Amino acid sequence: QSALTQPASVSGSPGQSITISCTGTSSDVGGYNYVSWYQHHPGKAPKLMIYDVSDRPSGVSNRFSGSKSGNRASLTISGLQAEDEADYYCSSYTSSNTWVFGGGTKLTVL
Amino acid sequence: QITLKESGPTLVKPTQTLTLTCTFSGFSLSTTGVGVGWIRQPPGKALEWLALIYWDDDKRYSPSLKSRLTITKDTSKNQVVLTMTNMDPVDTATYHCAHRGWSSPAFDFWGQGTLVTVSS
Repeated sequence: QSALTQPASVSGSPGQSITISCTGTSSDVGGYNYVSWYQHHPGKAPKLMIYDVSDRPSGVSNRFSGSKSGNRASLTISGLQAEDEADYYCSSYTSSNTWVFGGGTKLTVL
Repeated sequence: QITLKESGPTLVKPTQTLTLTCTFSGFSLSTTGVGVGWIRQPPGKALEWLALIYWDDDKRYSPSLKSRLTITKDTSKNQVVLTMTNMDPVDTATYHCAHRGWSSPAFDFWGQGTLVTVSS
């Protein structure tokens, strides 16, 4: 299984919105509504931000939202804040009953 | 409150076998649907899923590493153990364990990780 494809980096100014894409195949992203997104600050434990494409765990800000169309999923962060600066990873359950992660996207808040 | 913590050697030699232990609290690995997985991150690189064990002892492995990995659980001790054989410098990484809840395949709680360096 190949890693999901994410842009290496995105950036935005405080208050703006950004979107991170995650492209897979019909065997993972396109085949199941089991895409999740993780925020990772280096040296800390990754944090689940979105699960099952668009659901937010309790305690995660509603500035974070997820969607999917075909083999492509997206994470949108609205009202960017300095604390949002981190690495973001998508992940999908697969047809082989395994998991695959994306290559990660570094978000810079300008 | 769910917590997970990884433990094991910080340095292993090439060709050796790595054994990592995930000790968790706040849930039982005998609860239907629950699983514990392992994910690693080489320095400066992306997360990579390695393996997962379910409450019913069903086990899943990364296809690319399957021949080198073994995952087991000790429900009474609240521990999951991952072994990786024939370690190589490219296996240098931070290894995380994570909880998979009963209702979604997402990993909703993670350990902070343990850095394992492979070097002679």
